[in-house]
Amino acid sequence: KNEVEQSPQNLTAQEGEFITINCSYSVGISALHWLQQHPGGGIVSLFMLSSGKKKHGRLIATINIQEKHSSLHITASHPRDSAVYICAVRYGGNQFYFGTGTSLTVIP
Amino acid sequence: DAEITQSPRHKITETGRQVTLACHQTWNHNNMFWYRQDLGHGLRLIHYSYGVHDTNKGEVSDGYSVSRSNTEDLPLTLESAASSQTSVYFCASSGVSGSWSDTQYFGPGTRLTVL
Repeated sequence: KNEVEQSPQNLTAQEGEFITINCSYSVGISALHWLQQHPGGGIVSLFMLSSGKKKHGRLIATINIQEKHSSLHITASHPRDSAVYICAVRYGGNQFYFGTGTSLTVIP
Repeated sequence: DAEITQSPRHKITETGRQVTLACHQTWNHNNMFWYRQDLGHGLRLIHYSYGVHDTNKGEVSDGYSVSRSNTEDLPLTLESAASSQTSVYFCASSGVSGSWSDTQYFGPGTRLTVL
């Protein structure tokens, strides 16, 4: 059983669309990360959240601790946003779990 | 510019051999992590370190070991390589707070094939 669920698994959008990727987890966490993996394999950390909301450029990440849910939003999507987006959580101690990722393709 | 590097980038080895993957960072970060990535499993944490001489097991630590003798390096050793350890390995480092709750900077990855 995967302790982190992401949806959707695959997403295709037209350039300019608003995109939402969801992440759900099962118990209380100490931290949640959103990562971006480019087609060439490189991984970039986008956000670390423990509460509230963070914004960086066209990317916005939110977390609802009570509902055990986080979302990653991309405004005005662009083909260069095409990547796999990965959610990761730490439950405490040595329990780290990663979602299997959401593959995003943005079409010009 | 500060960076995190991994070597080799590609490695082919045989079952039973000892293999060491290198990870070097110049961020002066206390925290370093090793992950493996496999189709259908996503990323999984192997080992991590919050400082010199500190090492901790992650979710999939069996068959792997690490040692931290300085701030810059966290080599990952496969004591006796197995075909199940064929994977892409990523090293990462983060801040100074001694926890997982910091932005992580990832290396480019090492693709390991065990025949």
